[in-house]
Amino acid sequence: KQEVTQIPAALSVPEGENLVLNCSFTDSAIYNLQWFRQDPGKGLTSLLLIQSSQREQTSGRLNASLDKSSGRSTLYIAASQPGDSATYLCAVSRGSSNTGKLIFGQGTTLQVKP
Amino acid sequence: DAGITQSPRHKVTETGTPVTLRCHQTENHRYMYWYRQDPGHGLRLIHYSYGVKDTDKGEVSDGYSVSRSKTEDFLLTLESATSSQTSVYFCAISPGQFLRGETQYFGPGTRLLVL
Repeated sequence: KQEVTQIPAALSVPEGENLVLNCSFTDSAIYNLQWFRQDPGKGLTSLLLIQSSQREQTSGRLNASLDKSSGRSTLYIAASQPGDSATYLCAVSRGSSNTGKLIFGQGTTLQVKP
Repeated sequence: DAGITQSPRHKVTETGTPVTLRCHQTENHRYMYWYRQDPGHGLRLIHYSYGVKDTDKGEVSDGYSVSRSKTEDFLLTLESATSSQTSVYFCAISPGQFLRGETQYFGPGTRLLVL
């Protein structure tokens, strides 16, 4: 059974710091891995999606990497800003199916202090 | 933002009553999903649909049923609500082009409290 774990559960950093969020998964047979952002009381917004054949994806100050063999992904946020404060969730596709079913980690809640 | 609305946004009900949550999309996407989000469990898939009248179970489907009679609407019904179904429910949609890396787009959520 696929399990997704995110460490740490919460993180507080000063503005301007570079930081790394971690995601690990137990079954390497995934279709893709995604990182989402969730603001309090809101739905999820997709940040980055990495296909199983890819190693990383970048969008602005965000960079996500994927190492399928070790079952790990990291989300790197450069020059953090207070507006980055949110919960970040990692999700992997369920096996190699193409139904888009996702298995989520429990998230890392990030606070960036001015 | 993807055109997804959920109704109601908040609901308080009593144990044993049926409850129906509605997800409506204006994107004409093929796939629709219902998730619940609970502290300590993250988001878990309840049911999903891959077309009109085509649905399948997710990992926590017991006590829930769904229907999709039109592309734009996906209904989630709690047959007889229990306190364990108190949660935040999210609908998501996707065009289904997964080989192109299409993601899911989430609605704002419905907060359900079962007393």
